[in-house]
Amino acid sequence: GAVVSQHPSRVICKSGTSVKIECRSLDFQATTMFWYRQFPKQSLMLMATSNEGSKATYEQGVEKDKFLINHASLTLSTLTVTSAHPEDSSFYICSAMGTGIHEQYFGPGTRLTVT
Amino acid sequence: AQSVTQLDSHVSVSEGTPVLLRCNYSSSYSPSLFWYVQHPNKGLQLLLKYTSAATLVKGINGFEAEFKKSETSFHLTKPSAHMSDAAEYFCYLGGSQGNLIFGKGTKLSVKP
Repeated sequence: GAVVSQHPSRVICKSGTSVKIECRSLDFQATTMFWYRQFPKQSLMLMATSNEGSKATYEQGVEKDKFLINHASLTLSTLTVTSAHPEDSSFYICSAMGTGIHEQYFGPGTRLTVT
Repeated sequence: AQSVTQLDSHVSVSEGTPVLLRCNYSSSYSPSLFWYVQHPNKGLQLLLKYTSAATLVKGINGFEAEFKKSETSFHLTKPSAHMSDAAEYFCYLGGSQGNLIFGKGTKLSVKP
């Protein structure tokens, strides 16, 4: 099946710094990628939908200036958490839309800890 | 409005006994429905999907789900639970606008 990778798998950063997370579709072209955030013991929260070559569509309540998303190619989308704060600590998961309707392939996730 | 309801936040079964994880949906369109599993600190893995073909869908690891339009349900079942099945399970609905609607998840515990 299709494979989606994320890098890094874990990152610890200091408050006020920025962190970039990469999401790659390894064996297929993904015109649409999604970024999710998951709080402990909770479901996934969709943050934004990223379409290749265009601006991301953010969900209500998600700060687009804080969570910068770039989808410059059909195989790579990046999420940059700018000026990170401890409350940004979370598990971030990306997914890429497969060829099947609504089917997504998920990355393994990135654990962000802001100290 | 479209929605997904996972009726149980936590299900506990004994190893070797059947598993039933419930998911109900609301959609005015013909839905696409999916079950995913998430092991601790891991990403999500697709278990199975319904996209208007056969109503009984077989997935990986012995799981299956039956789409019942009359009951607006897509419950996930497995005849015999294994310790390795302990995880969080998410049902989601593919929305008519291309959006994706997740249930809140069901944590499955398996007792030896």
